[in-house]
Amino acid sequence: AQSVTQLGSHVSVSEGALVLLRCNYSSSVPPYLFWYVQYPNQGLQLLLKYTSAATLVKGINGFEAEFKKSETSFHLTKPSAHMSDAAEYFCAVMIFGNEKLTFGTGTRLTIIP
Amino acid sequence: NAGVTQTPKFRVLKTGQSMTLLCAQDMNHEYMYWYRQDPGMGLRLIHYSVGEGTTAKGEVPDGYNVSRLKKQNFLLGLESAAPSQTSVYFCASSPDTPPFSGVTDTQYFGPGTRLTVL
Repeated sequence: AQSVTQLGSHVSVSEGALVLLRCNYSSSVPPYLFWYVQYPNQGLQLLLKYTSAATLVKGINGFEAEFKKSETSFHLTKPSAHMSDAAEYFCAVMIFGNEKLTFGTGTRLTIIP
Repeated sequence: NAGVTQTPKFRVLKTGQSMTLLCAQDMNHEYMYWYRQDPGMGLRLIHYSVGEGTTAKGEVPDGYNVSRLKKQNFLLGLESAAPSQTSVYFCASSPDTPPFSGVTDTQYFGPGTRLTVL
């Protein structure tokens, strides 16, 4: 069975500072990994995904994530936070050929002006 | 393209009442999913479907039923609502991922239905 753990249910960063949201996964086989973002009162939107191609994945809105097999991690980063980045972020894992996603519990990102 | 739409957006029920949530997608996706989202618990899969006429149980299926009579629609039913079913419900869909058949990855989400059971 696969699972993800997101460290930190709340993260606050200053506008212009580095954003780092942590995600560790557990899977018995090579996984697909995803980051989704949820803005207030909206559904989830895909930010980026890793599906066994390049380990450094670039997504929308300047976000990127790096798949590190040795650390079983898929942390999300953005060099310079913007006020519009305030949202909840979910890491998720899927096994190739298994149509189900397993989500982490989410990290709420707050941007301090 | 409307994408994934959900009806209704809000609903308040009394304990024991029944209701059906409708999810519709116009992207010709094979896979459809129902999740519930509760504070501090992320999204949990209730039921899902890998094609028209098929359904399967997810992580938290008790108290819910589903049907996929048409490829574009996925219905979630609550036969006898309970306060524990107060939640935000999200529908999602995803396509086959060529060149593989039976493989999918990216899910596309609807805007959600906020359900309160008193």
